[in-house]
Amino acid sequence: DVQLVESGGGLVQPGGSLRLSCTASGFTFSGYWMNWLRQAPGKGLEWVANIRGDGREENILDSIKGRFAISRDNTKNSLYLQMNSLRAEDTAVYYCARNIGHETFDYWGQGALVTVSS
Amino acid sequence: QSALTQPPSASGSPGQSVAISCTGSSSDIGRYNFVSWYQQHPGKAPKLIIYDVSKRPSGVPDRFSAFKSGNTASLTVSGLQAEDEADYYCSSFPGVFGGGTKLTVL
Repeated sequence: DVQLVESGGGLVQPGGSLRLSCTASGFTFSGYWMNWLRQAPGKGLEWVANIRGDGREENILDSIKGRFAISRDNTKNSLYLQMNSLRAEDTAVYYCARNIGHETFDYWGQGALVTVSS
Repeated sequence: QSALTQPPSASGSPGQSVAISCTGSSSDIGRYNFVSWYQQHPGKAPKLIIYDVSKRPSGVPDRFSAFKSGNTASLTVSGLQAEDEADYYCSSFPGVFGGGTKLTVL
């Protein structure tokens, strides 16, 4: 069975950094674009970033470019999101999700809560 | 403000049918046949229930159907059941989402 498990969430002060991880199993990880999406408390879904299966192409939401970086390690079946200079508005549940093409996400992790507060 | 517009709420009684609309533009829904719908129960991750406008992933009941016309997509839930009470989000290539619709089963 396909499984995606996020880790690394928590409470961080404004201006701080956090690194989220997503460990995948049950499918050929390197064969898929992988994505990070987020959901602020009580709000809708927002796409954050994606990365090609071989790691050689990536895209980031314009509003977070320069602060967030996506990466992957196919030897560890893992996806990462490095978040720097965090702001209160980055507070959200962050999901990793498998992309089956054209920004269609067929499997999602359980989510990792990131809270940015002093 | 979300790129796609959904009604904030919808409701229906058990056994009834409910439709949820999703309005975009000629840059997303109107241009691509890559509309998806996700169901999200409280505290849970979203679940894909419709992709490529009207296709259902394996295991999704045929009570869920969808189509699009022009810049608007629509999801219909037929034969409403208690477990259908959830938030529903539409999405379109290139990665834009609606604000979500809370479906209440009366």
